[in-house]
Amino acid sequence: AQRVTQPEKLLSVFKGAPVELKCNYSYSGSPELFWYVQYSRQRLQLLLRHISRESIKGFTADLNKGETSFHLKKPFAQEEDSAMYYCALSRLTDSWGKLQFGAGTQVVVTP
Amino acid sequence: DGGITQSPKYLFRKEGQNVTLSCEQNLNHDAMYWYRQDPGQGLRLIYYSQIVNDFQKGDIAEGYSVSREKKESFPLTVTSAQKNPTAFYLCASGLTGELFFGEGSRLTVL
Repeated sequence: AQRVTQPEKLLSVFKGAPVELKCNYSYSGSPELFWYVQYSRQRLQLLLRHISRESIKGFTADLNKGETSFHLKKPFAQEEDSAMYYCALSRLTDSWGKLQFGAGTQVVVTP
Repeated sequence: DGGITQSPKYLFRKEGQNVTLSCEQNLNHDAMYWYRQDPGQGLRLIYYSQIVNDFQKGDIAEGYSVSREKKESFPLTVTSAQKNPTAFYLCASGLTGELFFGEGSRLTVL
């Protein structure tokens, strides 16, 4: 069965510092990977997905199949990046909305 | 206001009672999903439906039931058979590549 691991429950960084949220997965097939974000008092929403290869709000994530990782990075954290971040995996052979979520990482950016 | 509407936001239930959580969407999406969110565990899939009149069990379907009689609606019933129903429930719908979530319903069993 597939599994998504986010090893950090809480990540505290200073404004302007780089931030990296780790995500590792276990799945023998070809996965589709996503990062979802939940800002305070807002709905959970898609941040980015690996298949798009885009940068959203300065965040990027590269799928490393060798290391089975999909870490989320931003070179200069902003206070508005404070939120809960979830890494999620979908099997390409399945309903794509059947997501396997990690436990989430709370990011706190302090001025 | 478009999107996913869940109701009620807060619900209290006595043990032994069934409760139904409502989920409505006006995004014209075929697929709809129910997830359960517990602290420290992320989200886990309860049920999903890819088309009207069809639905499938997710990873933790025991003690739950759903129906999909209309494209816009996907209600979730938490039955008395669910051993630990106190949780935050999220409904979602989507197209390929993106899920749109509701604001959630918090169920507390007294």
